[in-house]
Amino acid sequence: QSVLTQPPSASGTPGQRVTISCSGSSSNIGSNTVNWYQQLPGTAPKLLIYSNNQRPSGVPDRFSGSKSGTSASLAISGLQSEDEADYYCAAWDDSLNGPFFGTGTKVTVL
Amino acid sequence: QVQLVQSGAEVKKPGASVKVSCKASGYTFTGYYMHWVRQAPGQGLEWMGWINPNSGGTNYAQKFQGRVTMTRDTSISTAYMELSRLRSDDTAVYYCARDHGDYVGGNYYYYGMDVWGQGTTVTVSS
Repeated sequence: QSVLTQPPSASGTPGQRVTISCSGSSSNIGSNTVNWYQQLPGTAPKLLIYSNNQRPSGVPDRFSGSKSGTSASLAISGLQSEDEADYYCAAWDDSLNGPFFGTGTKVTVL
Repeated sequence: QVQLVQSGAEVKKPGASVKVSCKASGYTFTGYYMHWVRQAPGQGLEWMGWINPNSGGTNYAQKFQGRVTMTRDTSISTAYMELSRLRSDDTAVYYCARDHGDYVGGNYYYYGMDVWGQGTTVTVSS
């Protein structure tokens, strides 16, 4: 059973830097690129980062992604109140033969 | 603008089937795979499968094999997801989402899902 493990919560004050980790395995993060999604309350997910560290057009450069081995991380610098949301990592899983999502992290702006 | 518009909320009894539609606009419908993802109340995201709107070919998550059918109608740029033998734990918001992958040198590379529908709430209750 594939699992992408994220911390359930993270928090920071406005302007701070927050980092979210995502731990996977050789069948997903270890052999494929990582994507990150932001889900604001009551809305559909939004693609935030793709191919480990690429931002789609319109995504602020406050958001950055990285990957090392079977783990990845998302960093939010200059935290803003509108960043309060759930964040999901995801990667193609060779065992599932499809994309697999992380457990999700709720970011709270204090 | 590029958008996906899904059909409205559904209430179904256990054992019934539900069919959700997803109408694409603002881009070439047949040029991008379409995924279906669901989210149970208070839970995370779960991939159900995808369809190639050009060929009609599908790839379903093993969990849903035998219960899910994804189809499309290219004449109206619409994808469909039908889930049968519904159970109470199928209660969820169902999303369609456009694939953001690419073919490079004959190999497919998955880069996430870049356009999402607004979601369709399916409630299964007796």
